Amino acid sequence: GAVVSQHPSRVICKSGTSVKIECRSLDFQATTMFWYRQFPKKSLMLMATSNEGSKATYEQGVEKDKFLINHASLTLSTLTVTSAHPEDSSFYICSARDLRGGVYEQYFGPGTRLTVT
Amino acid sequence: KQEVTQIPAALSVPEGENLVLNCSFTDSAIYNLQWFRQDPGKGLTSLLLIQSSQREQTSGRLNASLDKSSGRSTLYIAASQPGDSATYLCAVHGNQFYFGTGTSLTVIP
Repeated sequence: GAVVSQHPSRVICKSGTSVKIECRSLDFQATTMFWYRQFPKKSLMLMATSNEGSKATYEQGVEKDKFLINHASLTLSTLTVTSAHPEDSSFYICSARDLRGGVYEQYFGPGTRLTVT
Repeated sequence: KQEVTQIPAALSVPEGENLVLNCSFTDSAIYNLQWFRQDPGKGLTSLLLIQSSQREQTSGRLNASLDKSSGRSTLYIAASQPGDSATYLCAVHGNQFYFGTGTSLTVIP
């Protein structure tokens, strides 16, 4: 199956700094990528839908000025957590959508563990 | 808005037992339904994907069924093993992916 990578896998940052997380589709082009957040022992919550070449669509309650998403190419989307606070500590997972044989399939990255101290 | 619920939230079984995990969803307008496995601190591993026109999919000891009209899916695991211990998530793909709340499975040796 298709591969989606994320970098870094883990990051620790100080409160008030910004952190960038990269999501790459390695063997396919993804016009649409998604960013999820997962709290401990909870399910995944969709944060935003990232469309190549256009602005991301954010879910209700997600601050777009805090979670900046850029999808500048068909294989890369980035999530920047600006002015991070301890409550932003979480597991962030991206996914990329691929159209194969007329069917959409979504592939998930391995996740990035963000800890804000 | 689509809501996806998984029952039970947690399950503990002795090794070798067959088990069923349940997933229900409120909106039957879906493209497909997918079952994932997540190990602690890790990402998602796709187990089975069922297209909306399909009734079931099988892979090894796993069998997933889909009843779109009733908004239900089940994941059947045969002859469970300790290595099956993980959290199992179902997700329905409509205009976006909606994830269930997950079932935490522990298989006791």
